[in-house]
Amino acid sequence: DAKTTQPNSMESNEEEPVHLPCNHSTISGTDYIHWYRQLPSQGPEYVIHGLTSNVNNRMASLAIAEDRKSSTLILHRATLRDAAVYYCILVEYGNKLVFGAGTILRVKS
Amino acid sequence: DTAVSQTPKYLVTQMGNDKSIKCEQNLGHDTMYWYKQDSKKFLKIMFSYNNKELIINETVPNRFSPKSPDKAHLNLHINSLELGDSAVYFCASSSHGPTNEKLFFGSGTQLSVL
Repeated sequence: DAKTTQPNSMESNEEEPVHLPCNHSTISGTDYIHWYRQLPSQGPEYVIHGLTSNVNNRMASLAIAEDRKSSTLILHRATLRDAAVYYCILVEYGNKLVFGAGTILRVKS
Repeated sequence: DTAVSQTPKYLVTQMGNDKSIKCEQNLGHDTMYWYKQDSKKFLKIMFSYNNKELIINETVPNRFSPKSPDKAHLNLHINSLELGDSAVYFCASSSHGPTNEKLFFGSGTQLSVL
């Protein structure tokens, strides 16, 4: 399974943008980059995914480096409800989601 | 309506017992999964079913047996429960495989084996 590296934890102020980095230097050409988050005492929740181009949805934006060896999840205005563990996951075609340790995001009011 | 629902939410039982966790999805998805989250919070896939057929079976003791009576249900039966089985178990579903599809997770079943 392709490996990702994320910071253990990050802190943000409420109402400010948050950039969550992910390194995946061993990514292959067919690996999709997925982001999920897990709020306390809940199941993981899909955030966004992409292959090569940057992606936007109502929850976040995903910026993918040109060489695809890193990506950044962008929350445009963090709220207290965004405090969660954020997982960056590489998914090979037809394969399973393999979760790493993720980044604990703390949001300060 | 909850998209992926699991029951029970909490399950406390004695070592050696047999227990089941039920999962149902009302999204019309073809693929369902079981994940285990241990005390260190790592999420690991256990099983995946597509249209009632087992497609992923990770290294899980054979005391764990998934059963899919139809594509909307994937139940997990655990025989001879051990202390190390204590964890949170999550059911999930997706319309096809996970590559270009998002997974929808249930809220989890916290299993405590005493």
